[in-house]
Amino acid sequence: AQRVTQPEKLLSVFKGAPVELKCNYSYSGSPELFWYVQYSRQRLQLLLRHISRESIKGFTADLNKGETSFHLKKPFAQEEDSAMYYCALDSGGSNYKLTFGKGTLLTVNP
Amino acid sequence: NAGVTQTPKFRVLKTGQSMTLLCAQDMNHEYMYWYRQDPGMGLRLIHYSVGEGTTAKGEVPDGYNVSRLKKQNFLLGLESAAPSQTSVYFCASRGMGSTEAFFGQGTRLTVV
Repeated sequence: AQRVTQPEKLLSVFKGAPVELKCNYSYSGSPELFWYVQYSRQRLQLLLRHISRESIKGFTADLNKGETSFHLKKPFAQEEDSAMYYCALDSGGSNYKLTFGKGTLLTVNP
Repeated sequence: NAGVTQTPKFRVLKTGQSMTLLCAQDMNHEYMYWYRQDPGMGLRLIHYSVGEGTTAKGEVPDGYNVSRLKKQNFLLGLESAAPSQTSVYFCASRGMGSTEAFFGQGTRLTVV
């Protein structure tokens, strides 16, 4: 069974501080990992995916297969980063299930 | 530029009533998903479909049924609504070979 764990329900930081949202997963195969974000009153949208190794809005995430983690990081948080963040795992193959974690609500204080 | 559209946006049901939530996508996506979002529980997969005419159970399928008669539509049915089904429901779709899922705006359902 595939599972995504986000240990922090709430995370509060001050503007300019570094932020790290944790995500751990369990899956027997080779998963694809994503971070989705939901800003207030908006739809969920893709933030970044591990295969792209990209930086979006200053956020990065590295897949660590040894620790089965995919933590989201940003060196200097901005107030507009306040949102709900979901880590997601795609099993691919013939299954194509897309499983989400419980989410972390990030609040960036001025 | 519609993307994924959910109907209705809001609904209040009485216990025991039935209803159908409609998800429509105009991106010719093969995969479609229904999730429910509850405080502290995140997004939980109810049912999903990997193609027209096929459906599969997610992690919380009990009390729900789905149908995918047309590729662009994915219907979620509640045969006999219960207060425990009060939630925000999200539909999503994804294209074959694509890693990005596109979400609808959500349906807020209250069962009293």
